[in-house]
Amino acid sequence: SQTIHQWPATLVQPVGSPLSLECTVEGTSNPNLYWYRQAAGRGLQLLFYSVGIGQISSEVPQNLSASRPQDRQFILSSKKLLLSDSGFYLCAWSTGETWYEQYFGPGTRLTVT
Amino acid sequence: DAKTTQPNSMESNEEEPVHLPCNHSTISGTDYIHWYRQLPSQGPEYVIHGLTSNVNNRMASLAIAEDRKSSTLILHRATLRDAAVYYCILAGTASKLTFGTGTRLQVTL
Repeated sequence: SQTIHQWPATLVQPVGSPLSLECTVEGTSNPNLYWYRQAAGRGLQLLFYSVGIGQISSEVPQNLSASRPQDRQFILSSKKLLLSDSGFYLCAWSTGETWYEQYFGPGTRLTVT
Repeated sequence: DAKTTQPNSMESNEEEPVHLPCNHSTISGTDYIHWYRQLPSQGPEYVIHGLTSNVNNRMASLAIAEDRKSSTLILHRATLRDAAVYYCILAGTASKLTFGTGTRLQVTL
């Protein structure tokens, strides 16, 4: 069966510090991968998605970036965090064919202080 | 993608049916209607999707209006575990979903 992992579960970082969140998927190959963010009391915002290694589509221009160095690994990064980067970060995967049925990881709660 | 409109919140008693409405008057012919739900402090969970015909699965039923301008997610017997935010999402052929703010469902004893 397929499993999606995210770490860390919680993170407190000062403004201006770098960020690296990792997501890995097991039990499937060539998945679509997604990064979402949910600010407090808000809906989910799609940040990036990837349909293959090295293929990244950015939905929201900001100080975040994403990379997919391996088939089942998706990394969200920032060089300098802003207060507005605080939120609940969720990674998700889907097959290419049933992209609408996305499976979400446990999330990382990021607080920028 | 076309926009959806959902009530901010709804309440239901346990073991009663719940009908969660969604309006999507600008839906295009290729847009599927997807429903997800998000339990507290968790990621969203896929519930059901459909195009024109009503759909049933183990979690819920989806009733789609004949003109496709509205749809209703039906939980046949609400339990406390069904308390969540329910999202109605329209998506066509693009490989991405756009979540709105959804309907917060409260289930009481």
